[in-house]
Amino acid sequence: DTGVSQNPRHKITKRGQNVTFRCDPISEHNRLYWYRQTLGQGPEFLTYFQNEAQLEKSRLLSDRFSAERPKGSFSTLEIQRTEQGDSAMYLCASSPRGAEAFFGQGTRLTVV
Amino acid sequence: KQEVTQIPAALSVPEGENLVLNCSFTDSAIYNLQWFRQDPGKGLTSLLLIQSSQREQTSGRLNASLDKSSGRSTLYIAASQPGDSATYLCAAFYGGSQGNLIFGKGTKLSVKP
Repeated sequence: DTGVSQNPRHKITKRGQNVTFRCDPISEHNRLYWYRQTLGQGPEFLTYFQNEAQLEKSRLLSDRFSAERPKGSFSTLEIQRTEQGDSAMYLCASSPRGAEAFFGQGTRLTVV
Repeated sequence: KQEVTQIPAALSVPEGENLVLNCSFTDSAIYNLQWFRQDPGKGLTSLLLIQSSQREQTSGRLNASLDKSSGRSTLYIAASQPGDSATYLCAAFYGGSQGNLIFGKGTKLSVKP
């Protein structure tokens, strides 16, 4: 399968714990995006990378959130000290610059 | 502020009907527009991408149009089937210093057998 892969698919965590999600983009796609989606809403932009450089971050990305893309390949999104409001679907997408974006299946986070 | 709006929020049609989903965007300096399908609890599946220089794109029973001057795009679905039931999202990409897709909230389509 050469699509965008996200792991884990589901994560249940207790409030205050740290969680980390992984995204493996389509190979040779230099752009990688992270979005968050809550029920009934469209995806909201969090951050994106061009190769290993993080070029833009949304104001939604509080200081509890951090994303990395070492070596311009896979990316990780970490949420520290999780809150119930962090419960959402976290989506990753990749694209060649300015072209069609392809999304993964998402990671569903539930904070209890 | 760049915004994308999709109307209606929900649509129910009988099987076999042709239908049109609407998407409007506030900034006409669009680089491309992409339509996605999302099934419940799943990620997004890309349906069609229209570049700013194009007027429409077709894939099977789907046809997407783009009118930059009016800030509108439509997704036409011919001969709808129950399997088309899903949420359809449009997203605008502006390029330049803004690298992200801006999404509408989607139209939830239900096709009744």
